[in-house]
Amino acid sequence: ETVLTQSPGTLSLSPGERATLSCRASQSIHNNWLAWYQQRPGQAPRLLIYGASSRATGTPDRFSGSGSGTDFTLTISRLEPEDFAVYYCQQYGRSLTFGGGTKVEIK
Amino acid sequence: EVQLVQSGAEVKKPGESVKISCKASGYIFTNFWIGWVRQVPGKGLEWMGIIYPGDSDARYSPSFQGRVTISADKSVTTAYLHWSSLEASDTAIYYCARPQGAGPGPSDLWGQGTMVTVSS
Repeated sequence: ETVLTQSPGTLSLSPGERATLSCRASQSIHNNWLAWYQQRPGQAPRLLIYGASSRATGTPDRFSGSGSGTDFTLTISRLEPEDFAVYYCQQYGRSLTFGGGTKVEIK
Repeated sequence: EVQLVQSGAEVKKPGESVKISCKASGYIFTNFWIGWVRQVPGKGLEWMGIIYPGDSDARYSPSFQGRVTISADKSVTTAYLHWSSLEASDTAIYYCARPQGAGPGPSDLWGQGTMVTVSS
């Protein structure tokens, strides 16, 4: 099973700052089939990015995904108030697994 | 409207059985996989398994294989998650989710979640 490790566990930033979230896989992800989700309190997850770098419908362009193989990054160029949430990566190259999540909190 | 609507909260005792549901509407049910995701309150997401309603091909995470059963009924466009004998550690929110494409991939459509509480 492919294990995904997200870092940091918590990111404390101010609105307007840049956020960089990491997701590292225990083995190379087939076809770079990696997705990112946002989850706000009390809500279901929302798909942001798939295929490592493709934005899902409705994802603002301040969100971007990059990376390949075992190392992937989600970048939020300028944090808006609604971006403070928990973010999960998910690989779907071999079965499906989620990372442990990164919480982006207001500093 | 394309949506997944889940059944209501359940409160059960250890050893009891329960089956929660996920009603799909607004799209061709048999053309898309539907998966289940567990979230213990305050914790992360765990992928449990997935089913293709077209032929009932079900696949499970090793962590959940043998602990739950995923099924689907095409006649009522509904997917199910069933436990035959609950444990306190099954207390969690359970989400159903539909991948955006034809395969078992990333999900862009989610149910609202069903809270299952197991307590003596």
